[in-house]
Amino acid sequence: KAGVTQTPRYLIKTRGQQVTLSCSPISGHRSVSWYQQTPGQGLQFLFEYFSETQRNKGNFPGRFSGRQFSNSRSEMNVSTLELGDSALYLCASSLAGGSNSPLHFGNGTRLTVT
Amino acid sequence: QQQVKQSPQSLIVQKGGISIINCAYENTAFDYFPWYQQFPGKGPALLIAIRPDVSEKKEGRFTISFNKSAKQFSLHIMDSQPGDSATYFCAASNFNKFYFGSGTKLNVKP
Repeated sequence: KAGVTQTPRYLIKTRGQQVTLSCSPISGHRSVSWYQQTPGQGLQFLFEYFSETQRNKGNFPGRFSGRQFSNSRSEMNVSTLELGDSALYLCASSLAGGSNSPLHFGNGTRLTVT
Repeated sequence: QQQVKQSPQSLIVQKGGISIINCAYENTAFDYFPWYQQFPGKGPALLIAIRPDVSEKKEGRFTISFNKSAKQFSLHIMDSQPGDSATYFCAASNFNKFYFGSGTKLNVKP
């Protein structure tokens, strides 16, 4: 069974631009969550989608948005990029979300904002 | 406010020794406590997990000890090996929201 796939692996953008990251969950998984990982802040929860609906949201500004498609694939968008948005963005999928469904992470997209 | 506090930040252990990483939480509504292992360039991978109705869970060389009254849980790695050198994250979950500790970088010396 293929794992969680994130594309692209690396991105370099300049301040003010926008970026879209993509995540393909494990087949059969309906919940997709996004996390930002930085050395200083660790793993920070961005949002979670289930059946194309945002079910939970972390404490990030509105510049961070996402969506989920009918095939459970998800995209995350960051608009008006800031230097502080440089991070590893991780996508995790689970069967249905919740405590009975462990998270399975992809290898992330490394975003560098210059 | 950090929901899950993890210590130590880094840990050096000799091969064959025991590695111990501790986590504490405040929210008594958490009902699932996983540990993740992350190697450089990779995403975190689920290592072992426990629910609050169990005080200990063992899988191979990895053991979680859980103290519900103290709101603490810990990961013990027995017979630590150089291949265990990685960053370890504890987490706590309530329904579909996970809160992660800040991570412990483990270095197992050969």
